[in-house]
Amino acid sequence: GAVVSQHPSRVICKSGTSVKIECRSLDFQATTMFWYRQFPKQSLMLMATSNEGSKATYEQGVEKDKFLINHASLTLSTLTVTSAHPEDSSFYICSARDSASIQYFGAGTRLSVL
Amino acid sequence: DQQVKQNSPSLSVQEGRISILNCDYTNSMFDYFLWYKKYPAEGPTFLISISSIKDKNEDGRFTVFLNKSAKHLSLHIVPSQPGDSAVYFCAASGGEFGNEKLTFGTGTRLTIIP
Repeated sequence: GAVVSQHPSRVICKSGTSVKIECRSLDFQATTMFWYRQFPKQSLMLMATSNEGSKATYEQGVEKDKFLINHASLTLSTLTVTSAHPEDSSFYICSARDSASIQYFGAGTRLSVL
Repeated sequence: DQQVKQNSPSLSVQEGRISILNCDYTNSMFDYFLWYKKYPAEGPTFLISISSIKDKNEDGRFTVFLNKSAKHLSLHIVPSQPGDSAVYFCAASGGEFGNEKLTFGTGTRLTIIP
C-alpha cells in the first residue's frame, strides 16, 4: 500500500507554544489530505480536509484559527496547533487520499501539552 | 448521531479460527466501505474495501461482505493469527459527503488467543 509519513511521532510542549505536525505522501501525489484527532478509546474524529492550493475545510466545532492547516504541495500538508493548551493534548493522525479514494494514514503524533 | 456502528467493542477468537467483525450503517447514501486495522499509538492501516455495487471482496485471509438491504457489512479473517490482534475500524463514504470524507465506526478490539 501507499506510504504516508507523519512527523513528529511524539511532542511535549509548554502551554502557550505552537506545534507543527507534518504529513507527507511518499509515493503518490495527494490533492486531498485529512487531519483527524483521536481521544482515548474513541473513534477517529475528522478535524479538517486539506486541499492542495486552497483553504482547508474545517468540521463543525473545530477552531480554524487554532488548528492552522497548510497544503502547499501535492505531497505535504502541515497542521499547526497554535497557543497549545493542556486540553489540546491528544493523538493527531493525518491521511492522504489516493486516486482510488482510499485514505492511507500516517503513524500519528502524540501531543502532550504541559 | 453515529452513522457507522460497531456494536461489539471487543472480540476474542482462538488462533486458527475465523474472526468475524461486524459493522452497521444508517446512511443509505454510503456507497464505499473500508476496513482499517490499528495498533496502539499508530495510525490505521488499510486492509480491504468494497464498493456498493459488490457484495463480496476477498484479499488473502480477509473477506468483506456487504448486505445493502440490511445496511450491514462484515470482515472475515481466516485463519486468525496472533498478529491480527488489534483494533479494527470500519469506515464509509459517499452520499452527501461525496467520496472524500470517511465516517468511522467506534472500533472493535480483536484478540487472538494462541
